[in-house]
Amino acid sequence: EDQVTQSPEALRLQEGESSSLNCSYTVSGLRGLFWYRQDPGKGPEFLFTLYSAGEEKEKERLKATLTKKESFLHITAPKPEDSATYLCAVQEPQKLVFGQGTRLTINP
Amino acid sequence: NAGVTQTPKFQVLKTGQSMTLQCAQDMNHEYMSWYRQDPGMGLRLIHYSVGAGITDQGEVPNGYNVSRSTTEDFPLRLLSAAPSQTSVYFCASSSVTGNTIYFGEGSWLTVV
Repeated sequence: EDQVTQSPEALRLQEGESSSLNCSYTVSGLRGLFWYRQDPGKGPEFLFTLYSAGEEKEKERLKATLTKKESFLHITAPKPEDSATYLCAVQEPQKLVFGQGTRLTINP
Repeated sequence: NAGVTQTPKFQVLKTGQSMTLQCAQDMNHEYMSWYRQDPGMGLRLIHYSVGAGITDQGEVPNGYNVSRSTTEDFPLRLLSAAPSQTSVYFCASSSVTGNTIYFGEGSWLTVV
């Protein structure tokens, strides 16, 4: 079965301090890799879908990249409002397989 | 723009009681699903549906029942609640291509 591992489990940054979150996956054939943002007490909010190695997508301060074995979510000059848990998932037929998430905290 | 709507937001049940979590989407999506989210376990698929009248089991289906009589609605029934079903439940929907999968705001269930 497909597996998804996210690291680190938690990350604390200062405002403006850029960094990257990692999502490693093991799949028999990648159909799609999803990134979500989840705020406390809320549902996952869709960010990106990536399909093939080399693909990149951007949204405001976030950029997602994909290789054959992992995906990175780069956050550039983060602000306190970027604090959230970021979830990665790979698409299997009829379901998503999620990682445990990275809890990101941006201090002002 | 409602998207995926779940009710209730919070519910406390006694062991053995039954209840239904409601999910509705207004995007005319064919695919709908239910996940539960538990600390240390991530999100796991309970049941899913690829269209009205068609449902199937996911990873953790025991103790839950679903039906899909319309495209818009996909209720999740707990037949006889157990403390192990204390969790946060999320409904999701997407078009058949699955390019973007949208989640509801969640239903927090406590079984005592």
